[in-house]
Amino acid sequence: NAGVTQTPKFRVLKTGQSMTLLCAQDMNHEYMYWYRQDPGMGLRLIHYSVGEGTTAKGEVPDGYNVSRLKKQNFLLGLESAAPSQTSVYFCASTHRGSYEAFFGQGTRLTVV
Amino acid sequence: QQPVQSPQAVILREGEDAVINCSSSKALYSVHWYRQKHGEAPVFLMILLKGGEQKGHEKISASFNEKKQQSSLYLTASQLSYSGTYFCGTGASGSARQLTFGSGTQLTVLP
Repeated sequence: NAGVTQTPKFRVLKTGQSMTLLCAQDMNHEYMYWYRQDPGMGLRLIHYSVGEGTTAKGEVPDGYNVSRLKKQNFLLGLESAAPSQTSVYFCASTHRGSYEAFFGQGTRLTVV
Repeated sequence: QQPVQSPQAVILREGEDAVINCSSSKALYSVHWYRQKHGEAPVFLMILLKGGEQKGHEKISASFNEKKQQSSLYLTASQLSYSGTYFCGTGASGSARQLTFGSGTQLTVLP
């Protein structure tokens, strides 16, 4: 039982490049989230999903897109990376009957 | 708006007690507490819901003052394993799972 798995764990991008971060959970959770964590800022919600095929904007959605085609996967896309998107990205999931969020190990992204 | 946590950092000796506060300017429905060790993912500690009871787990407990929109995390007889950064996340009614996190409190427990 792996829990929440994020791929990749590290990535360096050049400004303007695109990439997709993958989050996969094997707990059959309905809710999934993408957060970014910056020094001194805590975690900020980018986008979230309450079920397969549905997504919604969080606190800081600009520059990101998401998709939830399958219940177990939540993808975060950067169409044109900017240095301001340098951050650690965390995916999390929650069962609909609980408030406990399970986090992945994070993806450290550097945009140069 | 981001909840405000205090203190920003605290250093303790093993066995000492600590209190971490979380304050919001918005009406709250839920307060969630997480601990994150360096280089690791945040781990859920507990949640307090509006109208709910004070929660506790062994030597870590929390309270939620609905009128003041404040929550406090109490760590009793701290252990070395308690070291890490503690975050409170707040949720509003109808969006209790879409959290706004504070900037964290770094707790260091020394032997």
